[in-house]
Amino acid sequence: EPEVTQTPSHQVTQMGQEVILRCVPISNHLYFYWYRQILGQKVEFLVSFYNNEISEKSEIFDDQFSVERPDGSNFTLKIRSTKLEDSAMYFCASRGIRTGDQPQHFGDGTRLSIL
Amino acid sequence: SQKIEQNSEALNIQEGKTATLTCNYTNYSPAYLQWYRQDPGRGPVFLLLIRENEKEKRKERLKVTFDTTLKQSLFHITASQPADSATYLCALYNYGGSQGNLIFGKGTKLSVKP
Repeated sequence: EPEVTQTPSHQVTQMGQEVILRCVPISNHLYFYWYRQILGQKVEFLVSFYNNEISEKSEIFDDQFSVERPDGSNFTLKIRSTKLEDSAMYFCASRGIRTGDQPQHFGDGTRLSIL
Repeated sequence: SQKIEQNSEALNIQEGKTATLTCNYTNYSPAYLQWYRQDPGRGPVFLLLIRENEKEKRKERLKVTFDTTLKQSLFHITASQPADSATYLCALYNYGGSQGNLIFGKGTKLSVKP
């Protein structure tokens, strides 16, 4: 069964550094998402992406964050100047057809540790 | 804004029993409500979706109910097995946006003892 893949599985970065998290969504999917989960807390929405532009973003997704689909397969999340509170699991998800009742398929995440 | 509460943080049951997990939401009734399973260090995995006009949905040993009057969904696992031990997440679409991002509950950690 096709799956969403994320790299790296674990990223350790010094505070203030830039980090790029990468995702390869399921190939025929059209809608892409980033979520994060701080340890012990719930999964929180960051941003959705469709037709090469951001559809919606949460309050968490401030100017330090950006997303890009640089080619037909990759979907990236960039954090420009990381802070300690950015430490979390970051999950990419994708969804296929147009109707809203289709589930989202998640990758296994990137654990981001900011030192 | 929409909030989701999963009443139990943890549920411990004996193998073979039925596990029942609860999800309550505030505000508007969503068109769809979903349940996901999350294992430690892994991403959520979709299990079941139930629509607002459906009272009940089944898939193998799993059953989901949806009561829009009570603003509640129940998730049942019958004949539970140790392999069912995981965190179960309730989620619904936030249709404030156009692309239906999910709002998750905090989850209920289920432990099935042999």
